[in-house]
Amino acid sequence: DIQLTQSPYFLSASVGDRVTLTCRASQGIGGYLAWYQQKPGKAPNLLIKDASTLQSGVPARFSGSGSGTEFTLTISSLQPEDFATYYCQQLYEYPLTFGGGTKVQIK
Amino acid sequence: QVQPVESGGEVKRPGASVKLSCKASGYTLTSYGVHWVRQAPGQSLEWMGWIKAADGNTKYSQKFQDRVTISIDTSATTAYLELSSLRSEDTAVYFCARGDRWVGHSWGQGALVTVSS
Repeated sequence: DIQLTQSPYFLSASVGDRVTLTCRASQGIGGYLAWYQQKPGKAPNLLIKDASTLQSGVPARFSGSGSGTEFTLTISSLQPEDFATYYCQQLYEYPLTFGGGTKVQIK
Repeated sequence: QVQPVESGGEVKRPGASVKLSCKASGYTLTSYGVHWVRQAPGQSLEWMGWIKAADGNTKYSQKFQDRVTISIDTSATTAYLELSSLRSEDTAVYFCARGDRWVGHSWGQGALVTVSS
């Protein structure tokens, strides 16, 4: 199975900060990566598919990049509603797998 | 809102089975697939399997291959997850998600299954 390693595990930041989250795959997966946001007690919400395709309704401050084994999710200006846990997921092969998550908290 | 609605979460004894439902709301089930993903307390997300609603084609994680069945009742616009031989490690919130073969575009609210003696 493809392993996804997210870093950092925990990120403390302020409103207005630019933050970058990283996801590394155990093997090359092309551009087949998605990012989800999950708030406590809620279901995940798909933000980005295919490494960089922003989903409908997702604010433009979110962007994704990368290919192969290294990917990033960037939030250009952190807003109060962005404090959540973010997960990456590979779309390259079954079984689909998720990273361990990065929790973004208020500094 | 166009999202699945889940039901069936409950407390189960070790060794028992549980069957969860995922009902399409505001969309046609057969136009999509359904993923089942679980999340143990404080843990990450774990993909269990996927079904193509139009023809019932399934993909399963090998980890659950022997214990899980995902099915569709298109007349009832509902997908199901049945997990057998439950153990304490199966305690989790189980999500269904409407999506294509690869991602969940719209997720249900989750159903809590607790396995305890």
